[in-house]
Amino acid sequence: QKEVEQNSGPLSVPEGAIASLNCTYSDRGSQSFFWYRQYSGKSPELIMSIYSNGDKEDGRFTAQLNKASQYVSLLIRDSQPSDSATYLCAVQYSSASKIIFGSGTRLSIRP
Amino acid sequence: DTAVSQTPKYLVTQMGNDKSIKCEQNLGHDTMYWYKQDSKKFLKIMFSYNNKELIINETVPNRFSPKSPDKAHLNLHINSLELGDSAVYFCASSPGQGEFEQYFGPGTRLTVT
Repeated sequence: QKEVEQNSGPLSVPEGAIASLNCTYSDRGSQSFFWYRQYSGKSPELIMSIYSNGDKEDGRFTAQLNKASQYVSLLIRDSQPSDSATYLCAVQYSSASKIIFGSGTRLSIRP
Repeated sequence: DTAVSQTPKYLVTQMGNDKSIKCEQNLGHDTMYWYKQDSKKFLKIMFSYNNKELIINETVPNRFSPKSPDKAHLNLHINSLELGDSAVYFCASSPGQGEFEQYFGPGTRLTVT
């Protein structure tokens, strides 16, 4: 089992709709969870971090964490073409000072 | 004012050569990292330093040698370059002391021919 798993996509969503990105992780002791956005040819950019169960909202983005089920998700409301990118889920590995990245989900917003 | 900077942005070199990549952060962070992103876009940690001390050394060939002269700088030297070393190398930093939010540099695209 991979440490952090994401569907590679591509996920195609119409403009204005809600995009839902999911991630599962294997380390039950993980405490810190992150979502990064990476445009083609660019570096990963931190967009959300979440540390406790439940929802965390920031503008059009909502991160959801369920530690019992070991999944974290990212919702993007009112999707825009500029949201088209690869979204990387990252989980802090409890026994070491590092975070593990998933392989990313490619999101495409169609006008 | 760039938070995490890397030089060079592109590096094209032949097999067997030695090359270095430099990284600097002005965020005042304690921890710095080197990541490798391969052609399939998988981002994998290579090394991490906290206040100039090596804390993470993943299973990376010993041809790769990091060096941190101070907590704002982290360099990566690669000896005897191989075709499989071709990738994008990202430097990142995080506050440290239990805070893991990482901020990435622009990346160095290394092509070995």
